[in-house]
Amino acid sequence: KQEVTQIPAALSVPEGENLVLNCSFTDSAIYNLQWFRQDPGKGLTSLLLIQSSQREQTSGRLNASLDKSSGRSTLYIAASQPGDSATYLCAFPKWGNTPLVFGKGTRLSVIA
Amino acid sequence: DTGVSQDPRHKITKRGQNVTFRCDPISEHNRLYWYRQTLGQGPEFLTYFQNEAQLEKSRLLSDRFSAERPKGSFSTLEIQRTEQGDSAMYLCASSLPLAESTDTQYFGPGTRLTVL
Repeated sequence: KQEVTQIPAALSVPEGENLVLNCSFTDSAIYNLQWFRQDPGKGLTSLLLIQSSQREQTSGRLNASLDKSSGRSTLYIAASQPGDSATYLCAFPKWGNTPLVFGKGTRLSVIA
Repeated sequence: DTGVSQDPRHKITKRGQNVTFRCDPISEHNRLYWYRQTLGQGPEFLTYFQNEAQLEKSRLLSDRFSAERPKGSFSTLEIQRTEQGDSAMYLCASSLPLAESTDTQYFGPGTRLTVL
């Protein structure tokens, strides 16, 4: 069974800091990996999708990397802002046609 | 396009009652997923459809749960004889994979169920 671990579970940083969120998985045979953002009591917003053949994807201040051999993905957030405060989840299907398996998320607080 | 919508946003019910939730996916998205999320956990898969066909059901989906997508557009999730353990956020997602490796799922705002 594929297991997903996100470390740390919670993180608090001052505004302006660069930070890294970690996601590890037990089975390297993943198809792609998605990072999501979830605000309290709300649904999920897709941030980035990395295909298994790619090593990283960038969107604005966000950069996600994927290392299948080590079973790890990281989400790098540059110049953090209070509006970045949310829970960040990583997830992936084992095959393209299967549902997503999620980690428990990292709860980020950016302090002004 | 207004994105994935879910109705109701909140539902409070008494134990033993039946509830039904609705999900309207993004127009022309042929895949529709249901997930359940409890506090402090990531979403867990319940079931999914490709067009009107229900292709997979999780072992989490007991016989009290049923889902339909009769015309391949909106979907309903019904829970019969609700139990307090059913209290959770129920999330719907849809996708239109141009290729399997780029199948991005788009989530709705969720329906929060509280069973008293």
